[in-house]
Amino acid sequence: NAGVTQTPKFQVLKTGQSMTLQCAQDMNHNSMYWYRQDPGMGLRLIYYSASEGTTDKGEVPNGYNVSRLNKREFSLRLESAAPSQTSVYFCASSEMGRAGELFFGEGSRLTVL
Amino acid sequence: GENVEQHPSTLSVQEGDSAVIKCTYSDSASNYFPWYKQELGKRPQLIIDIRSNVGEKKDQRIAVTLNKTAKHFSLHITETQPEDSAVYFCAASLRVGRRALTFGSGTRLQVQP
Repeated sequence: NAGVTQTPKFQVLKTGQSMTLQCAQDMNHNSMYWYRQDPGMGLRLIYYSASEGTTDKGEVPNGYNVSRLNKREFSLRLESAAPSQTSVYFCASSEMGRAGELFFGEGSRLTVL
Repeated sequence: GENVEQHPSTLSVQEGDSAVIKCTYSDSASNYFPWYKQELGKRPQLIIDIRSNVGEKKDQRIAVTLNKTAKHFSLHITETQPEDSAVYFCAASLRVGRRALTFGSGTRLQVQP
């Protein structure tokens, strides 16, 4: 099993460009999440999807959109990238009913110039 | 929403010593408190968790304690080894019945051989 797979692993954008981070999991988990990690600030929740067909805002949703394409896939889109969105992005998944037991992808390092 | 504070931000110990990391949370409805370990350049991974109906939990050299009245919980690592060097994150569930975690800002633990 691959677990949680994110693409791309690295990306450099110019201010104003758009891009989509892809995430897929093969563990049949119901819930999926996007976090961003910045030095000294831990992991902050951007959006999550408790189950297929639902999405909810997290702590820092501004500037992002998400799509729960199906049970396996949860994408994160930056419509107009800003330097403040330079970060490492982690996708994660969990079984419904197993609160907090997150399985993370390897992360995507995004730099916005 | 939930707010989780974590201290210290960095911790250096000698091999064989104990390490303690402390977290406080704000939402009295939080009922799940996991700890994640993130080695350099890798994804966070769950190492231990505790639920609100339990005061202490141990797993070999690591233990977690919870004081619900004071709204704080701690990670204890005994007989530290160089491979314990990593960033450790505490977290709390956002609300009862929800699946999204709020993370602390992280503690970088360095174990000196």
